[in-house]
Amino acid sequence: DIQMTQSPSSLSASVRGRVTFTCRASQNINNNLAWFHQRPGKAPKSLIYAASRLQSGVPSRFTGRGSGTAFALTIYDLQPEDSGTYFCQQYNSYPHTFGQGTKLEIE
Amino acid sequence: EIQLLESGGGLVQPGGSLRLSCAASAFTFSSYAMSWVRQAPGRGLEWVAAVSNTGAVTYYADSVKGRFTVSRDNSKNVLYLQMNSLRAEDTAVYYCAKDLSVAGPPFDYWGQGTLVTVSS
Repeated sequence: DIQMTQSPSSLSASVRGRVTFTCRASQNINNNLAWFHQRPGKAPKSLIYAASRLQSGVPSRFTGRGSGTAFALTIYDLQPEDSGTYFCQQYNSYPHTFGQGTKLEIE
Repeated sequence: EIQLLESGGGLVQPGGSLRLSCAASAFTFSSYAMSWVRQAPGRGLEWVAAVSNTGAVTYYADSVKGRFTVSRDNSKNVLYLQMNSLRAEDTAVYYCAKDLSVAGPPFDYWGQGTLVTVSS
């Protein structure tokens, strides 16, 4: 199975600031990577697919990049509603494994 | 508006069975593969199972293979997860999710989840 490793495990940032999360795959997954955001007690929300393409309705403050084994998600102009946990997922091969998540706190 | 509504969760004893349902609306259900993802209390997301748009092809996580069965009824727009031989470690919120396109994953829409608790 492909292992997905996210870093950091948690971080804090200020409103209007910028953060970058990273996600690393244990083997080449091409650009078959998605990012999700989950607020406590809520279902995950799909943000990005194909490493860099925004899902419908996702603001352009969210930017994904990467290919192969190394990926990143950057959020610009942070807003309070951006708090929560961010997960990456590879869908290059089954099982479609998730990273362990990065928890973001907005100060 | 696309909606996915899970049901069927609850409290079950170890070794017991439960069937989850996910009712889909506002899209052509029979055109999209569907999946189940779970989240144990305080933990991350775990992909559980997927089924092709016709139901002919299925995939499972090793942790549930041989115990869980994913299926669908395209005439009723419903996705199922039959869970047998349940264990304490199966306790989780179970989400259903729809593939982004007819060509395959990843997900675009998620349901709100249903809680399964395995305990004596």
